[in-house]
Amino acid sequence: GAGVSQSPSNKVTEKGKDVELRCDPISGHTALYWYRQSLGQGLEFLIYFQGNSAPDKSGLPSDRFSAERTGGSVSTLTIQRTQQEDSAVYLCASTFRGDRGLLFGQGTRLTVV
Amino acid sequence: AQRVTQPEKLLSVFKGAPVELKCNYSYSGSPELFWYVQYSRQRLQLLLRHISRESIKGFTADLNKGETSFHLKKPFAQEEDSAMYYCAPSRTGRRALTFGSGTRLQVQP
Repeated sequence: GAGVSQSPSNKVTEKGKDVELRCDPISGHTALYWYRQSLGQGLEFLIYFQGNSAPDKSGLPSDRFSAERTGGSVSTLTIQRTQQEDSAVYLCASTFRGDRGLLFGQGTRLTVV
Repeated sequence: AQRVTQPEKLLSVFKGAPVELKCNYSYSGSPELFWYVQYSRQRLQLLLRHISRESIKGFTADLNKGETSFHLKKPFAQEEDSAMYYCAPSRTGRRALTFGSGTRLQVQP
């Protein structure tokens, strides 16, 4: 594909519902990151996948958040029992191993009402 | 604690004026340093990395290890430079890239 693709672009959900956000990285990129971008909070690191290594989950804010990456490609970020404070833009980025020049997707804007 | 600080949330300058976006870090060792930019309605993208010692769109950034700073500079700002700028040091021993809180640059005509 032309770049990192995220879906959906926008998601409105009711408080308490679960949501899944999808990221299609650039083919061949072994590293994949999830970040959260909130007004006034900057970019918050959530989770990092590198090849077959155990993911770095140190940025996940609570156990309601989880992510997986299947077959070293597509990744899904799941938020269970959403809360209003989960409202943000969720960004995915990918790159080659060891390269910190990340290529970002367009983001998913999540609104919890 | 290791952290990165961008002290200005908003920086407003007139076209043609010099710009300096500040970034200070407190990481141990020699982190790799980056500046990312997000223009209105566009994706976040890499602007420059310090190891390349490059100038992109007229911007440069010098690593000052003594002051632990990596300020982004441009001698003459243009209106198209208006954007959100994030400093991103790569922490020693950590694989994940973390970002500062960002500075919004507004270049007025």
